[in-house]
Amino acid sequence: AQKVTQAQTEISVVEKEDVTLDCVYETRDTTYYLFWYKQPPSGELVFLIRRNSFDEQNEISGRYSWNFQKSTSSFNFTITASQVVDSAVYFCALDSGYALNFGKGTSLLVTP
Amino acid sequence: DGGITQSPKYLFRKEGQNVTLSCEQNLNHDAMYWYRQDPGQGLRLIYYSQIVNDFQKGDIAEGYSVSREKKESFPLTVTSAQKNPTAFYLCASLRGPGEKLFFGSGTQLSVL
Repeated sequence: AQKVTQAQTEISVVEKEDVTLDCVYETRDTTYYLFWYKQPPSGELVFLIRRNSFDEQNEISGRYSWNFQKSTSSFNFTITASQVVDSAVYFCALDSGYALNFGKGTSLLVTP
Repeated sequence: DGGITQSPKYLFRKEGQNVTLSCEQNLNHDAMYWYRQDPGQGLRLIYYSQIVNDFQKGDIAEGYSVSREKKESFPLTVTSAQKNPTAFYLCASLRGPGEKLFFGSGTQLSVL
């Protein structure tokens, strides 16, 4: 069965702190895709990254970085030097072959 | 600009009433999806359609119905059989397997 677990329900940090959002997944597929989405207070989901199962290279995009480890079935997301605008709900998702299977999300609050 | 349009943004349902949520896309995507979001529950799949005139139930299809008569449109009807319809509903489309989902801005449905 496909499953995505985001164990952290809520995280609160002070601006400029680094924060890591955890994502653990379960799948029997050998080929699969993982995603991260951001949902700001406006409600619309914003795509952040897609990673396929054959590419374990870590990726960095500005203050965002992702650590994909197949050995531990994890795809963690780190925000460096957090900003108030990073406050949102973040979702990790796994491609189940016909749709995306989402975790329950982590609500991140960054305070000044 | 291409995208997904959901309407209305807010919708109120009376007891025993059916209501229909609109979803239109001009991205020329074959696959379309409806997700339901409840606080702390992440996104759960209601229905999906991979091609015109065909659709499948997702994880929580009871009390909902859909149609896919045109590639661009995938309306969702919340029937009176859905006893707890209050939620945020998100429509999405997909270009192909393993690709990212494009989301609309969502419809908040509440019960009067």
